Amino acid sequence: KAGVTQTPRYLIKTRGQQVTLSCSPISGHRSVSWYQQTPGQGLQFLFEYFSETQRNKGNFPGRFSGRQFSNSRSEMNVSTLELGDSALYLCASSLGELGSGNTIYFGEGSWLTVV
Amino acid sequence: AQSVTQLDSQVPVFEEAPVELRCNYSSSVSVYLFWYVQYPNQGLQLLLKYLSGSTLVKGINGFEAEFNKSQTSFHLRKPSVHISDTAEYFCAVSEGSGNTGKLIFGQGTTLQVKP
Repeated sequence: KAGVTQTPRYLIKTRGQQVTLSCSPISGHRSVSWYQQTPGQGLQFLFEYFSETQRNKGNFPGRFSGRQFSNSRSEMNVSTLELGDSALYLCASSLGELGSGNTIYFGEGSWLTVV
Repeated sequence: AQSVTQLDSQVPVFEEAPVELRCNYSSSVSVYLFWYVQYPNQGLQLLLKYLSGSTLVKGINGFEAEFNKSQTSFHLRKPSVHISDTAEYFCAVSEGSGNTGKLIFGQGTTLQVKP
């Protein structure tokens, strides 16, 4: 069974540009979450999607957005990139059933460098 | 609001010695607790999780953790470490009744196993 797949793995963008990251969850998983990992702030929750609806959102500015498709694949977008957006962006998937403690599986991440 | 504190940012230990990585959490509701490991340039891998029941949880690679509700702790232990255990370890908590895709992480503990 394939794991969580993220593309691209590495990318470099210029300040002011926008970026779209893609995530394919494990087959059968309906919940996809996104996290930002930086040396200074650690691992921070961005948002979660379940059945194409945003179910939860972290404390990030509106420049960070996401969506989920009917096949559970997800994309996240960051507009007007800032240097501080340089980070490892991790996608995670789970079955998504509330209150059940489903295991959350993480992808390898997308390394974004903003110059 | 939930929070997680990992009490040690770095833990150096010699190969074959025992190790304990400490984690305390704060929450006003029931929670699920997790330990993840991150090897260099990789995503997060689940070591173990506590949902309910026995307070001693066994995970992969010989790790175990004990849930202590009165001390709000979930410390990770291994009786004998290997060089290959060198990695970053993250303790995380999720709300027990829902929000399965949202994890609150501690700042991480770097385990450095020396020969």
